[in-house]
Amino acid sequence: DSGVTQTPKHLITATGQRVTLRCSPRSGDLSVYWYQQSLDQGLQFLIQYYNGEERAKGNILERFSAQQFPDLHSELNLSSLELGDSALYFCASSVYEGQETQYFGPGTRLLVL
Amino acid sequence: KNQVEQSPQSLIILEGKNCTLQCNYTVSPFSNLRWYKQDTGRGPVSLTIMTFSENTKSNGRYTATLDADTKQSSLHITASQLSDSASYICVVSSFTGGGNKLTFGTGTQLKVEL
Repeated sequence: DSGVTQTPKHLITATGQRVTLRCSPRSGDLSVYWYQQSLDQGLQFLIQYYNGEERAKGNILERFSAQQFPDLHSELNLSSLELGDSALYFCASSVYEGQETQYFGPGTRLLVL
Repeated sequence: KNQVEQSPQSLIILEGKNCTLQCNYTVSPFSNLRWYKQDTGRGPVSLTIMTFSENTKSNGRYTATLDADTKQSSLHITASQLSDSASYICVVSSFTGGGNKLTFGTGTQLKVEL
């Protein structure tokens, strides 16, 4: 158990819908990272927050957005969902935002029908 | 374009044998290189993190090497166990004023058999 929690574990929805994925980092960790892992692709970095502020952006679509709240939990919002958005979404956290280890949560499996 | 390439794509070895996985990268700027182990359907678990000045780092039966000049890394697994069956992912980190961006390889799928 990494100490990072993600909810829900599974999510099934329809195209065009909007969903929110939630992540609680390890106690004391200030950075939260979001990743997408599709069947045919490796892990893709989406976005990083540090202590409430957006710090780095990867291959995140405009239909996706995220935020980190004052209690440091984070939410990833996915809207206008398409079939291709079906994937495992992982959240990871680290103490700061540099060289230290990132701890990954168990992931949320999203299926768009 | 920042890229991380891993080889082989998949590998099957007998329990107790050793193996070496390869990683080549073209990522700039370079901050550190990480190896992760990912069991199917679960989050990756960090094995090693190496900065520019580190050539070798060990974590139990896992030993990672880094050649920053040739931009190559390897992960050596000794005395393999059935529980080593997983995907091994090489990740290169670029830490700039704009945050910490990670570029992932597609992984090597390792299967350890009796």
